[in-house]
Parts: sequence; structure tokens; C-alpha cells
Amino acid sequence: GQQLNQSPQSMFIQEGEDVSMNCTSSSIFNTWLWYKQDPGEGPVLLIALYKAGELTSNGRLTAQFGITRKDSFLNISASIPSDVGIYFCAGQRRTGNQFYFGTGTSLTVIP
Amino acid sequence: DAGVTQSPTHLIKTRGQQVTLRCSPISGHKSVSWYQQVLGQGPQFIFQYYEKEERGRGNFPDRFSARQFPNYSSELNVNALLLGDSALYLCASSTGTNTEAFFGQGTRLTVV
Repeated sequence: GQQLNQSPQSMFIQEGEDVSMNCTSSSIFNTWLWYKQDPGEGPVLLIALYKAGELTSNGRLTAQFGITRKDSFLNISASIPSDVGIYFCAGQRRTGNQFYFGTGTSLTVIP
Repeated sequence: DAGVTQSPTHLIKTRGQQVTLRCSPISGHKSVSWYQQVLGQGPQFIFQYYEKEERGRGNFPDRFSARQFPNYSSELNVNALLLGDSALYLCASSTGTNTEAFFGQGTRLTVV
């Protein structure tokens, strides 16, 4: 099946630091979504991207739709303790309706 | 506004039994998708329904089935449960088939 590779797999950062993570695919996607998931909860949508090269912000979060359409990036600025969680990317192809999810990046923020 | 609601939140079943999970989408959303999330992994697509019709099916056995009702709510059924079916089952709603998906809190299924 389709694999989306996320890196890094886990991150341990100090509060106030910036965070960068990315997601790569072997296929071209038409839509990229970024989610955050807390333990035992469903994923919460953070940012949606629909166009190659698109850069979209949501507060301290910024995500980009890679120009090759095979990757996407998420940046978090000035991290705070509530940013702790697992971040997933998800991509959707032009044909077919399912979203393919990445392997997740676990973020730990040290106060 | 109510988000995506799923019931029950937790469920314990025995191998071989059958289970039905329920999902109510966000008001105005006509598409419901089901995902299985095994511990430590990302969600895996099971089904998508739009306007009561199946619009996509993932790589899951025929033991998994679903349907969507006229009010756009949905049920996921799993027959002949296996230990490996233990997972968090997530329902996502969206306005269409290729728009952003909003997830419920999930149903934690444990098969013993």
C-alpha cells in the first residue's frame, strides 16, 4: 500500500524552540493535511493544503505543499507544552478518495 | 456546533463475535469515512460513503462492512472478530469526497 514517510520519528525540544517535520511520498498528491493527535483521542485537523507550493499558516503553525507534490512540511514556532502529541500528515491523490496517513512524528516539549 | 460523534467510546468483545460501531457526522456533511488505527501507527482507510453510496474501500477483508443512512450517519460492522482487530476505529466526516476530513474521538475496540 501507499507509504508516507514522516521524519523525524520523534523529537524532544525545549519550550520556546521552533520545530520542523516533513512528510514524503512516492506518489503525487493533490491534497495534504496535517493532524495532531493526543493519546486516546481522534486526530485534530491543523492545516489543509490544496495547491503545489502553497504555504498556509494557522497561528504558530505553518505548513507547505511541496513543489514536487510528493512532500509536505510542518513548522511550529515558539513551542509550548500543549504542543505535545503525535503529528500526522495525510495525502490524497487526484483519483480515489482515501487519505493515506504518515507514520507520525511524536513531539515532546520540555518546559 | 457538534463535531463528529462516535459510539460507543470503548468496547470489549470476544474472538468470533460481531461488533457494530456508530458515527454521526458534522451537520451538513454528507461524506463519512472509517479508519482503523493500530497502536503506534497512522490511521488506515477502511471505507468511504457519500450520499449513502460506497465511494471507496481500503484493503480490508470482507468481514468489514459499512453503510450510510439517509441522515448521513453511518455504521461499521465487523464480523468474526480476530485479536488483530483490536484498534482505535475512527470516523471522519467531510462535505465531499475529496475535502478535508474531521475526525471523531474514536471507538477503542479490544478483542480478547
